[in-house]
Amino acid sequence: GAVVSQHPSRVICKSGTSVKIECRSLDFQATTMFWYRQFPKQSLMLMATSNEGSKATYEQGVEKDKFLINHASLTLSTLTVASAHPEDSSFYICSAGRGQGMSGYTFGSGTRLTVV
Amino acid sequence: GNSVTQMEGPVTLSEEAFLTINCTYTATGYPSLFWYVQYPGEGLQLLLKATKADDKGSNKGFEATYRKETTSFHLEKGSVQVSDSAVYFCALSRDDKIIFGKGTRLHILP
Repeated sequence: GAVVSQHPSRVICKSGTSVKIECRSLDFQATTMFWYRQFPKQSLMLMATSNEGSKATYEQGVEKDKFLINHASLTLSTLTVASAHPEDSSFYICSAGRGQGMSGYTFGSGTRLTVV
Repeated sequence: GNSVTQMEGPVTLSEEAFLTINCTYTATGYPSLFWYVQYPGEGLQLLLKATKADDKGSNKGFEATYRKETTSFHLEKGSVQVSDSAVYFCALSRDDKIIFGKGTRLHILP
């Protein structure tokens, strides 16, 4: 149990376009989802915390208008990279949980975004 | 602020060798500590955890002990296998957020 599906796994887009990444909990209801970003050779950095039915809480330095997060249901959260630029190229990964403490969170497989 | 520092890789070992991946942390209070593993082409998986000082987490032959006095949570395995080749992330949890180290890539040679 506790499977999280993240889609797409890889995406290449042109500069200026928007990209949507989906994170789905397949066999449980996720009250909270987290979105992380990983730069090459860097740590996974928390971007935002997404609670179902409410606005996402963004970490300091993360542009809310650039990284749009929607957690419309207990099984789906989306991250939209608006007007993507090459510097947005990165590995994005989500995690979802039922609020059982941090060990109860399951990670998606990640999305490799390349903006050309 | 809270942070995690782990040894840089890649680490290359022969099969059946002893493994240590160092991890130290900086945090206020008493965080929970974790090791996550990412196998090629897969997402992150929880490997083991410890929630208080002197706790030892263990799984699949891996162990790590929560050392408050040295603020460390080093990952060890007595005899590694080729199938252990992966990226290992040390992490701490405070205030319902996870903070990760940079990850250590482990290569095990047959």
